[in-house]
Amino acid sequence: SQTIHQWPATLVQPVGSPLSLECTVEGTSNPNLYWYRQAAGRGLQLLFYSVGIGQISSEVPQNLSASRPQDRQFILSSKKLLLSDSGFYLCAWTVTGLLYTFGSGTRLTVV
Amino acid sequence: AQKVTQAQTEISVVEKEDVTLDCVYETRDTTYYLFWYKQPPSGELVFLIRRNSFDEQNEISGRYSWNFQKSTSSFNFTITASQVVDSAVYFCALSGGTSGTYKYIFGTGTRLKVLA
Repeated sequence: SQTIHQWPATLVQPVGSPLSLECTVEGTSNPNLYWYRQAAGRGLQLLFYSVGIGQISSEVPQNLSASRPQDRQFILSSKKLLLSDSGFYLCAWTVTGLLYTFGSGTRLTVV
Repeated sequence: AQKVTQAQTEISVVEKEDVTLDCVYETRDTTYYLFWYKQPPSGELVFLIRRNSFDEQNEISGRYSWNFQKSTSSFNFTITASQVVDSAVYFCALSGGTSGTYKYIFGTGTRLKVLA
């Protein structure tokens, strides 16, 4: 079956610390992968997407980066977190574009 | 550029009332898809419906119904006889183009509160 794993579920990090969020997909090959962020009380903003291994497109300038070292692995990183990086991060995948499958999300609080 | 507008930030209704959530979109693509997702307090996004740009038929699923009108670029969502369990944030989204990126553009969401 097709599943998506995203961890950790919650994270509290101090300002200036590094970040690594991981998302893995099972049961499919060559998916498109996406990272979205939802700031408190706001909508879903697309941060990065990837159509293949090593191919990363950034949608908004920011303090974050993404990588796709394997076909079904998508990593969101930061070298130094800012307070404004707090939010709810969602990973998603699709093959056909007809339906996104979302992960359960990571709630990041930068203190 | 593509854009989705959900002008209603928050709506409160009393249980059993009907409620309509508005969604207006902008796109230059001739082929596109529209979606509604529900986000309960747990945070996960739950898929509700997908509609392609060539299918303007309204759809009803239980207490949920959707009204897609290309003439007004709207894709509104109505909950009939609302229940407390309907309380959530609802997102409208748009996906289109032929680039193969399948990016979804989401609206800012409408928080629905159904009061007992």
